[in-house]
Amino acid sequence: GQNIDQPTEMTATEGAIVQINCTYQTSGFNGLFWYQQHAGEAPTFLSYNVLDGLEEKGRFSSFLSRSKGYSYLLLKELQMKDSASYLCAVSDSNYQLIWGAGTKLIIKP
Amino acid sequence: NAGVTQTPKFRVLKTGQSMTLLCAQDMNHEYMYWYRQDPGMGLRLIHYSVGEGTTAKGEVPDGYNVSRLKKQNFLLGLESAAPSQTSVYFCASSVLRDHTGELFFGEGSRLTVL
Repeated sequence: GQNIDQPTEMTATEGAIVQINCTYQTSGFNGLFWYQQHAGEAPTFLSYNVLDGLEEKGRFSSFLSRSKGYSYLLLKELQMKDSASYLCAVSDSNYQLIWGAGTKLIIKP
Repeated sequence: NAGVTQTPKFRVLKTGQSMTLLCAQDMNHEYMYWYRQDPGMGLRLIHYSVGEGTTAKGEVPDGYNVSRLKKQNFLLGLESAAPSQTSVYFCASSVLRDHTGELFFGEGSRLTVL
């Protein structure tokens, strides 16, 4: 079967750096997405990786290794507003999106 | 700049009742989707549409019907609601096909079936 694994919950300190991992086992691969979802709100797009390597967007970076079925989202200079769930999703060989259950990130002062 | 708008935001139904969720987008996107989100699970695709007048089944289509009579609107219907359909429903749209681009989500509709 197809599977996306990410930690259920993580805690980090304001101003620090946190890395949220995502491992996947899917039938084929056509890209990996990261979305941010604040409690009670809609998911919003953060990044899309289809080639190996690191993509940087301001304080957020996303890394992909297709051979390892692995990605991570790196958040730097954490702010209280970064408290949210982070969703990993993979587009499979049929271009269907397989979603992880999300990682709830708690930021402490 | 409305983006994707869902109505209603909240609804409580009794088992066996029917209802329709409306999704409207003003971005002229061809592709629209209905997802459900349940605690501890990833988003699951219910139905989707690749253009006006077309619909297709997703991962969990049973108990739901959809229609896309106008490009900007995508309706999700529950014919006979069941407690297992208690969930948060998200509509989304995209400009690129085949999940190769960003999804724009509505704010969600929280449905409780008693």
